[in-house]
Amino acid sequence: NAGVMQNPRHLVRRRGQEARLRCSPMKGHSHVYWYRQLPEEGLKFMVYLQKENIIDESGMPKERFSAEFPKEGPSILRIQQVVRGDSAAYFCASSPTVGTTGELFFGEGSRLTVL
Amino acid sequence: SQQGEEDPQALSIQEGENATMNCSYKTSINNLQWYRQNSGRGLVHLILIRSNEREKHSGRLRVTLDTSKKSSSLLITASRAADTASYFCATEATDSWGKLQFGAGTQVVVTP
Repeated sequence: NAGVMQNPRHLVRRRGQEARLRCSPMKGHSHVYWYRQLPEEGLKFMVYLQKENIIDESGMPKERFSAEFPKEGPSILRIQQVVRGDSAAYFCASSPTVGTTGELFFGEGSRLTVL
Repeated sequence: SQQGEEDPQALSIQEGENATMNCSYKTSINNLQWYRQNSGRGLVHLILIRSNEREKHSGRLRVTLDTSKKSSSLLITASRAADTASYFCATEATDSWGKLQFGAGTQVVVTP
């Protein structure tokens, strides 16, 4: 049973370009969360999605950032017109549909570097 | 404001010693969880303690929760070099089912 899969693991973009980060949750999980981690800091919540629905996006910057979790395929975190301050590790986590214990299962992260 | 603040920020011990780290939080919670992160890797869940529990054990881990003080502690007994990692507490607030708020973490270094 594969864990949470994120790709790419490393992404380099120049200022003004777009970054697309993908996350496939664990099999049977339909809740997906995106977190951002700056160096030497903890994780900051960005968005919580279920299939085809954004449940809580209170941590998402108002501009340039968007997330989706379509009926088919992985969840996508999209950052348009990237700036240097977007450089961070972006982690995806998933949890089961029912009977959740509260535990989140994390992927290995996507590390974005903006030049 | 940050929910879940760990103390100390860094901890250096020798193999065989115990490591204790603390976490404070601000809001009412459903549960509090501890995660571990090795350098450059994702987070791995260690243990979850619910708001109506006071203490929980898992192997060499012992977690306590004091909801009156809004604080928790994680004890790692008989530490090993492989325990070297960053440890984060995370809280699930009562009005935020599923969403976790993380602290800044405690960096633990265990030297052989």
